[in-house]
Parts: sequence; C-alpha cells; structure tokens
Amino acid sequence: NAGVMQNPRHLVRRRGQEARLRCSPMKGHSHVYWYRQLPEEGLKFMVYLQKENIIDESGMPKERFSAEFPKEGPSILRIQQVVRGDSAAYFCASSPSTGKRAEAFFGQGTRLTVV
Amino acid sequence: SQQGEEDPQALSIQEGENATMNCSYKTSINNLQWYRQNSGRGLVHLILIRSNEREKHSGRLRVTLDTSKKSSSLLITASRAADTASYFCATVRNSGYSTLTFGKGTMLLVSP
Repeated sequence: NAGVMQNPRHLVRRRGQEARLRCSPMKGHSHVYWYRQLPEEGLKFMVYLQKENIIDESGMPKERFSAEFPKEGPSILRIQQVVRGDSAAYFCASSPSTGKRAEAFFGQGTRLTVV
Repeated sequence: SQQGEEDPQALSIQEGENATMNCSYKTSINNLQWYRQNSGRGLVHLILIRSNEREKHSGRLRVTLDTSKKSSSLLITASRAADTASYFCATVRNSGYSTLTFGKGTMLLVSP
C-alpha cells in the first residue's frame, strides 16, 4: 500500500502563472487535507475534502486558491496568478475516516517556489 | 496567538541524553498528537494522546498531557543522531472537524 503521493515534489513558477499540486491519498482513504508550511513555521490547515465535496475551507485564502477531490483521480490544489508569498511547502494528508482519532498520513509535500 | 506552541524552539544535545519538548495550546481538545519532520521531508506521526489520558509511552517516547494547564510534553530517552529532526505538536479540537492545528515546532539536533 503506497503512502500518500504528492507531485510534483518541486515546482517553480513565475509570478502570475498557475500552480497545480496533486495529491493521491492512500488506498481506501476518502478524506484529504491540505496544509501549507512557510519557512521555519509549522503547518497551517487550508482545506478538508471528501470525494467530490469540500467540507471545510476555512484555512484557504478566498482568492486565487481552489481545491477539488473528484470522484476519480487525485485531489488538486490550484493556485492562480501566483505571487512570491505563495512560496511554501504544501502538504497533503489523508485518513480513512473522519473520526477525531483517525491518524492522518502525510505526503512528502510539494515545494513551490515563485520567482 | 496560535494553538499548539512548542518550546524550546531549538534544542541541541549529545547522543544518549534525553530530550524534552513542551507544547501549550489554548482551546478544548479531543486529542493531541506529536509529529516528526526530517529536513525537507513530510511528517511522520509519532504518538496520539487522548484528552482523558495523562501519559503514554511508545518505545523511547513518553508523552504527557495536562489538560488543566493545556500543555503536553514529549520526552525522547537515550537520543540518537537519527532523532535529529523538527518535532511538532498538533491538536484536534473537540468541536468541528478533525483537522490538525500545529505549533511552530522544536528543532532537535543530536550530536554523535
């Protein structure tokens, strides 16, 4: 059972371009969480999705950021018109259930650099 | 200020010594979890302690939880160079969804 797979591992975008980050959860996991980690900081929650539904997007900026988790395929975090402040590591986690004690498994992250 | 703040920010010890990291939080929690992150890598789940538990052990790890003080500690005994990493505590609130709220982490350096 492969772990949570994120790609690409590293992504460089120029200001104004779009960034697409992909996350394939562990097999059997239907809950996906995206977190952002700024340099020297802890992770900050962005969005929580189940298949075809956004459950909680309270941590996601209102503009330029969107996320989806389609019925088929990976979860996508999309950042439009990137700015330098978007440079960070973006981590995806998945869990098999919504229970508060369900362990979340993290991917290796996508490091986005905006130049 | 944010939920789950660790101290110290950085800790440097010799192999064989014990390392203690502390975490404080602000809201009512369902559970508290500790994670390890090696440089440039993802997070690895270490241990979960429920709000009704006071202490938990896993191998060389010992976690305590004091809900009256809203604090937790992670003790790593007989540390090894391979323990060098950043350690984060994360809380799951009683209300709302099971999302994690992380602190800024403690960077642990274990020298051979």
